[in-house]
Amino acid sequence: DAGVTQSPTHLIKTRGQQVTLRCSPISGHKSVSWYQQVLGQGPQFIFQYYEKEERGRGNFPDRFSARQFPNYSSELNVNALLLGDSALYLCASTLSGSSYNEQFFGPGTRLTVL
Amino acid sequence: AQSVAQPEDQVNVAEGNPLTVKCTYSVSGNPYLFWYVQYPNRGLQFLLKYITGDNLVKGSYGFEAEFNKSQTSFHLKKPSALVSDSALYFCAVRDINSGYSTLTFGKGTMLLVSP
Repeated sequence: DAGVTQSPTHLIKTRGQQVTLRCSPISGHKSVSWYQQVLGQGPQFIFQYYEKEERGRGNFPDRFSARQFPNYSSELNVNALLLGDSALYLCASTLSGSSYNEQFFGPGTRLTVL
Repeated sequence: AQSVAQPEDQVNVAEGNPLTVKCTYSVSGNPYLFWYVQYPNRGLQFLLKYITGDNLVKGSYGFEAEFNKSQTSFHLKKPSALVSDSALYFCAVRDINSGYSTLTFGKGTMLLVSP
């Protein structure tokens, strides 16, 4: 079975631009979470979606937005990019919204903002 | 708010020796704890979790973790380290908010296993 997939793997943008990152969860998983991992730190929670509804949002500015589609895939959008947005963006899928389920992570998208 | 602390930035161990990667937690209520590993240019891989039950949890690749409620610790262990275990290890705690739960991670500990 395919795991969580993310695209693109790498991305280079300049300040002020907009970016869209994509994630496909494991088949049958209905919940997707997004995390930002800055170099040298642990992942930080950005969004969680379950059954196409936003369930939670971390402490990130409104420049960050996301959505989940009927097939449970998800997109993360970041507007007006700043240098500090350079990070590895991780998508994780979970079978359901249950807190007992472990999250399965994709390989991430490495975003570099110049 | 829930949090975890990984007090060591790096742990060095020789191949064949036992290894321990430390994690302490701070939670309100029952702690649900996880360990993940990250290899270079890869996402996080789940190793093991503690929800309830035995204090010694066995996970993938020969790793185990010991839950200690009195010391609020959840240290990752392996009896005999391999060079291929060299990676970045993250401890995480389930963070409950209204209507959903997510993971709060520590800053990570780099494990280096020398031949």
